[in-house]
Amino acid sequence: AQSVTQLDSQVPVFEEAPVELRCNYSSSVSVYLFWYVQYPNQGLQLLLKYLSGSTLVKGINGFEAEFNKSQTSFHLRKPSVHISDTAEYFCAVIPSGSARQLTFGSGTQLTVLP
Amino acid sequence: NAGVTQTPKFQVLKTGQSMTLQCAQDMNHEYMSWYRQDPGMGLRLIHYSVGAGITDQGEVPNGYNVSRSTTEDFPLRLLSAAPSQTSVYFCASTRDGANTEAFFGQGTRLTVV
Repeated sequence: AQSVTQLDSQVPVFEEAPVELRCNYSSSVSVYLFWYVQYPNQGLQLLLKYLSGSTLVKGINGFEAEFNKSQTSFHLRKPSVHISDTAEYFCAVIPSGSARQLTFGSGTQLTVLP
Repeated sequence: NAGVTQTPKFQVLKTGQSMTLQCAQDMNHEYMSWYRQDPGMGLRLIHYSVGAGITDQGEVPNGYNVSRSTTEDFPLRLLSAAPSQTSVYFCASTRDGANTEAFFGQGTRLTVV
């Protein structure tokens, strides 16, 4: 079985400051890793994903994440946030090559302050 | 190009009532799934389907039934609603396999009183 831990439930940050949202996972098999974003009263949409290859992956809206296999982490970063980045962010994993579905972390609420 | 459509958006039920949450996708995706979202717990998988006629249980299946008679539709049935089923429910679809993006509906906010 897989599990995902998002270490911070709330992250307040000022506009134009950098931000890092932390994600650690546990799995006995290799996994694919995802970050999804949920804006208020909406469904989730994909920010970025890691399947294989380069450990630094870039996504939409200027976000990027780095896969660290030894630390089983997949932290999300943005060098300069905007008010419009205020949303809840979910880290998720799925066993590679399987028909199983996503296992999500508990989410991190990012609030960008003016 | 509607994507994943869920109905209704809001619902209030009395304890013991039954209802069906509808989910339809127009992308010809094989994989569909239902999640519930509760504060501080992220999204938890209820049931999923890898194709028409094939369903399987997720992490929290008790109290819910599903069926998949067509590729497009994947309804979720609550047989006898309980207050513990108060939640926001999301339907998602994926083209195939583990490495493709999941597309989510807008959610159904269900309150059981």
